[in-house]
Amino acid sequence: ETGVTQTPRHLVMGMTNKKSLKCEQHLGHNAMYWYKQSAKKPLELMFVYSLEERVENNSVPSRFSPECPNSSHLFLHLHTLQPEDSALYLCASSQEDRNSPLHFGNGTRLTVT
Amino acid sequence: EDKVVQSPLSLVVHEGDTVTLNCSYEVTNFRSLLWYKQEKKAPTFLFMLTSSGIEKKSGRLSSILDKKELFSILNITATQTGDSAVYLCAVVNNAGNMLTFGGGTRLMVKP
Repeated sequence: ETGVTQTPRHLVMGMTNKKSLKCEQHLGHNAMYWYKQSAKKPLELMFVYSLEERVENNSVPSRFSPECPNSSHLFLHLHTLQPEDSALYLCASSQEDRNSPLHFGNGTRLTVT
Repeated sequence: EDKVVQSPLSLVVHEGDTVTLNCSYEVTNFRSLLWYKQEKKAPTFLFMLTSSGIEKKSGRLSSILDKKELFSILNITATQTGDSAVYLCAVVNNAGNMLTFGGGTRLMVKP
């Protein structure tokens, strides 16, 4: 148990579907992150919510939309995805002002058909 | 743009061997370097290094940072099959708590 819980664990969706990934952290952290892990590529940062402010990577397509209703919950809304978006999506949290390491969830394995 | 390069890409050893994994980096306003172990899904935290020359140790694993030459190594002694994993190196700059990851080293330890 990492203290960061992601659901669902696996998701298969068509290109016209709309789905959401959920992340919840029980560590009292104030920053949350979405990372994408594709085969043979380094972990890529997608979005950061830090002290309730969103810091965004500009290269993320608009078909990915994050939502952070509070410091414990983070969502990634998906719509009209492409097959190349198939990957492992990892959520992480940290305590922003203590230079603490990231704690990762187990990820959602997404397959876009 | 911050950059992290890990080597080797993959490594196969036998139980009992000692391995050294390498991580070199380029980062603006370095803050820290972290090592993670990823077995199946969630990367788990191993070490955070902020100062040069100070070895961090946890059991059979140890790591050290050289801020002058911009690299870090992760050593694993007396390897076990349970050490088989992808080892990830990441750097953090002072602009925020965002990590830039290397591509990882895939270690396989055979019985």
